[in-house]
Amino acid sequence: QKEVEQDPGPLSVPEGAIVSLNCTYSNSAFQYFMWYRQYSRKGPELLMYTYSSGNKEDGRFTAQVDKSSKYISLFIRDSQPSDSATYLCAMSSGGGADGLTFGKGTHLIIQP
Amino acid sequence: NAGVTQTPKFQVLKTGQSMTLQCAQDMNHNSMYWYRQDPGMGLRLIYYSASEGTTDKGEVPNGYNVSRLNKREFSLRLESAAPSQTSVYFCASNRVSSYNEQFFGPGTRLTVL
Repeated sequence: QKEVEQDPGPLSVPEGAIVSLNCTYSNSAFQYFMWYRQYSRKGPELLMYTYSSGNKEDGRFTAQVDKSSKYISLFIRDSQPSDSATYLCAMSSGGGADGLTFGKGTHLIIQP
Repeated sequence: NAGVTQTPKFQVLKTGQSMTLQCAQDMNHNSMYWYRQDPGMGLRLIYYSASEGTTDKGEVPNGYNVSRLNKREFSLRLESAAPSQTSVYFCASNRVSSYNEQFFGPGTRLTVL
């Protein structure tokens, strides 16, 4: 079993819909959780980061972490065609200099 | 600020050739990383440097060497390229805050024939 599981999609939704993206993980030592957005042929761009369990909101984006279920989510409200991209979850057990463990990414398509 | 820059953007090598991928950051970050991204595999850590003067292996270090030249620059070397090293290579840096947010460069697309 891979440490981080993420459905690759594609996930296609109409413009304006609420999007839910998810990852599950097996390593209970993970404490730091991040979401990256990656447009085609570009580098990953950091969207959200959270520590331990709980919610964090930034504009149209909300990140949730449920450590008891080893499950993290990213919600996008009022989705726009410009949100079409691949979304990568990433996590680490330590802060500081640890490398990140990534999911494979979910390809999201927002239909105009 | 340019952030994290990588050169070259594209490279084609023949099996057995060597090359060095360059990475530089202008954010005064302490830690730097090299990842590779392959279809269906996600991003995997090759090597990282927690601070100037130190380097450590990641998940997939075989076939690679790294040099932390100074605080700004971190290079990745392929001594004898193999087709299995065809990939997109990303460099990242980290300000070593408690959240471990990493900032990525635009990538180098490498094809080994």
